[in-house]
Amino acid sequence: GESVGLHLPTLSVQEGDNSIINCAYSNSASDYFIWYKQESGKGPQFIIDIRSNMDKRQGQRVTVLLNKTVKHLSLQIAATQPGDSAVYFCAENGGTSYGKLTFGQGTILTVHP
Amino acid sequence: DGGITQSPKYLFRKEGQNVTLSCEQNLNHDAMYWYRQDPGQGLRLIYYSQIVNDFQKGDIAEGYSVSREKKESFPLTVTSAQKNPTAFYLCASSIGGEGEQYFGPGTRLTVT
Repeated sequence: GESVGLHLPTLSVQEGDNSIINCAYSNSASDYFIWYKQESGKGPQFIIDIRSNMDKRQGQRVTVLLNKTVKHLSLQIAATQPGDSAVYFCAENGGTSYGKLTFGQGTILTVHP
Repeated sequence: DGGITQSPKYLFRKEGQNVTLSCEQNLNHDAMYWYRQDPGQGLRLIYYSQIVNDFQKGDIAEGYSVSREKKESFPLTVTSAQKNPTAFYLCASSIGGEGEQYFGPGTRLTVT
């Protein structure tokens, strides 16, 4: 999962395995959460989002789980592919309605063929 | 194609010079944002704008300035007052204040 510090957490998986990336968020007022994928040298791409009135949301091959009690967010990627290799960021809105997102440090996912 | 463009992709400047990074979007989004990303770190918000002719400081606005004279444009100036300007700069936009932010490809600024 994500943590404070200069070294990004890393997750290494084999192609075809399921991946779980964790994120501990800090602001209990946050009611909107979002996961982004960032490939090297590129801008982040949206993966999936979830509001605090839900605890699970599914997309194509991805699922986001939200546990408000312990302020924890996870991203599950099914049947991980080499193209999923990237840095994954979670972000929270701090309960604001004006788009100010606070990003986590990121997790490096490496998928081995 | 709709999207966000940032130019240039790479930018080199000498210390003490101001430099302006371009961000343009044709998504008809009201809100636009500037983030800074340093190696091994997440994105930090510099400035954001919810509507034309209005903008607010983010978490690390010192040494930066912005303008929002047109809906589609949100240029960022990195001034000589910014102590550590070398970084990857990302621009984003969103339909309103809430929801998904769409990111541009980024500008990597190197100041020597």
